Amino acid sequence: GENVEQHPSTLSVQEGDSAVIKCTYSDSASNYFPWYKQELGKGPQLIIDIRSNVGEKKDQRIAVTLNKTAKHFSLHITETQPEDSAVYFCAAKASGGSNYKLTFGKGTLLTVNP
Amino acid sequence: GAVVSQHPSRVICKSGTSVKIECRSLDFQATTMFWYRQFPKQSLMLMATSNEGSKATYEQGVEKDKFLINHASLTLSTLTVTSAHPEDSSFYICSAPSGVLAKNIQYFGAGTRLSVL
Repeated sequence: GENVEQHPSTLSVQEGDSAVIKCTYSDSASNYFPWYKQELGKGPQLIIDIRSNVGEKKDQRIAVTLNKTAKHFSLHITETQPEDSAVYFCAAKASGGSNYKLTFGKGTLLTVNP
Repeated sequence: GAVVSQHPSRVICKSGTSVKIECRSLDFQATTMFWYRQFPKQSLMLMATSNEGSKATYEQGVEKDKFLINHASLTLSTLTVTSAHPEDSSFYICSAPSGVLAKNIQYFGAGTRLSVL
């Protein structure tokens, strides 16, 4: 089955700096890669996703890049703000079959210091 | 995006009692929903896949008689923790995919914090 590795487990940056979180996946059949932000005591919220037919996607201060050959994808947050502080999870989903299962990374605790 | 509502947000119960958690898709139909369990500072662990009109599919190591799942309609799935014990205390989260299989996006509920005394 799919295995998703996520690094780093914790990341501390100064407000205004950029933050990068990286994930690798094992199943070459995976074709959908979402990123979720989870604040303390809340459910995960989708912040951006990318499909395997594109290499990069951007939404304001957030961008995701995908390298299918190397089987890794990254989340980039620019101009970080204290409200970006949360746990971020990457995930991967394989194509085919009739299930919608996501395989999650272990999460990255991002702290943005004012 | 689509909205998934989960209720209750927090429940405290005595050991031995059963607790029901509801997950509703508010503005879309979901033939499949997922139930996760999350321990502090850990990732989401998939417990089971809830299928409308049929039996749930449980992940390895998850007791199906302990965690009863019912997906009675296209917008509602329930998870019942039967005879709860302190080790069942955790954060339970549901999700539902919206859209056709190839393009679907999963939306999560706000989670339920279960504390068993």
